[in-house]
Amino acid sequence: EIVLTQSPGTLSLSPGERATLSCRASQTVTSSTLAWYQQKPGQAPRLLIYGASTRATGIPDRFSGSGSGTDFTLTISRLEPEDFAVYYCQQFASPSWTFGQGTKVEFK
Amino acid sequence: HLQLQESGPGLVKPSETLSLTCSVSGGSISNTGDYWGWIRQPPGKGLEWIGSIYYLGTTYYKPSLQSRVTVSVDTSKSQFSLRLNSVTAADTAVYYCARGIRVSSGGHFDYWGQGTLVTVSS
Repeated sequence: EIVLTQSPGTLSLSPGERATLSCRASQTVTSSTLAWYQQKPGQAPRLLIYGASTRATGIPDRFSGSGSGTDFTLTISRLEPEDFAVYYCQQFASPSWTFGQGTKVEFK
Repeated sequence: HLQLQESGPGLVKPSETLSLTCSVSGGSISNTGDYWGWIRQPPGKGLEWIGSIYYLGTTYYKPSLQSRVTVSVDTSKSQFSLRLNSVTAADTAVYYCARGIRVSSGGHFDYWGQGTLVTVSS
């Protein structure tokens, strides 16, 4: 089973700053199998990125995904107040779906 | 616009069976390439995939839960269900149903229910 490790656990930033979130897989994975989600308190997760770099419908272009092999990154170019949330990476390796433990982006 | 809604008891006793149903509306539950999944989140913790089902009935479970989990689908009602046997306090969580979609060799969950809290307690 592939394990996804996200870092850092918490990122303390201010609005307007750039956020860089990391997701490392325990073994090489295909980029097409990596996705990112945003979750706000009391809400269901929302799909942001799939295929490592493709934005889901309606996702602003300040969100971008990159990476390959075992290392993947979610970047938020300029944080808006509504971006402070928990972010999860997720990988699909047929037939299993795995989530990372999450990175919290909080107000500094 | 696809909508998913979980339903079921919010309180289950230890050693008993947790049963939840997800109702799908605004779209078909029988689309090729769609997998219907259950994900849970213990209070204050991260997301854990439990299992998924293809509309034709093929099921996939997290290995560590496989002995206790059953996911089924009723296409005539546009519903799919989760049964988790022999629950303990560690199964207390918000349970989400979601649509899993396969793209190329990948897969992700694009539509989610609002989630339902299930507490295991006597």
